[in-house]
Amino acid sequence: EADIYQTPRYLVIGTGKKITLECSQTMGHDKMYWYQQDPGMELHLIHYSYGVNSTEKGDLSSESTVSRIRTEHFPLTLESARPSHTSQYLCASSEATRGGYTFGSGTRLTVV
Amino acid sequence: AQKITQTQPGMFVQEKEAVTLDCTYDTSDQSYGLFWYKQPSSGEMIFLIYQGSYDEQNATEGRYSLNFQKARKSANLVISASQLGDSAMYFCAMRELQSGAGSYQLTFGKGTKLSVIP
Repeated sequence: EADIYQTPRYLVIGTGKKITLECSQTMGHDKMYWYQQDPGMELHLIHYSYGVNSTEKGDLSSESTVSRIRTEHFPLTLESARPSHTSQYLCASSEATRGGYTFGSGTRLTVV
Repeated sequence: AQKITQTQPGMFVQEKEAVTLDCTYDTSDQSYGLFWYKQPSSGEMIFLIYQGSYDEQNATEGRYSLNFQKARKSANLVISASQLGDSAMYFCAMRELQSGAGSYQLTFGKGTKLSVIP
């Protein structure tokens, strides 16, 4: 059973629409991350959070925004979707110690 | 400069054979962690194995082992007795544990696509 949940799994949406990709984890992890990944390509960090009310931009510039009002919830929002936003978005969380990430199943976004 | 380099975009292996996926890394930190993840075509990222920079023995997890050569800065993944279900993308990643606020972030390589042939 997954400890980190992403919804929706797949999303096809028209240009200009506002969308929110949901990510929730039940592990109590302080650290959460959003990665963007084109098919068969590497992962690029676009946002991260080290705790409630803490959000930072990652290495890859993104037009999306995030919020962290509760420890378990880290949604990503696109105010106006464009075809260039078509990609897979992966959410992850981690503990403060040496461990790696636990990933969600990802959201495959297609903007038409 | 790339911190994680995976030089093999694609690899083929015969079922039941062993395969090595290459990974080299670049860091000035003394304390770091190295990870391998598997990504099937369904898209999720599955954690396979972890090696700490101070770990004296190579990590093993079932059919997965990590060939850690610290002086060469390499952390190759060895999969023994390949199975058809091993066909996937494999990503090497590093976490630098002494880099302050960035110490929680994983840096990923570009990945290697492994195809297991029946």
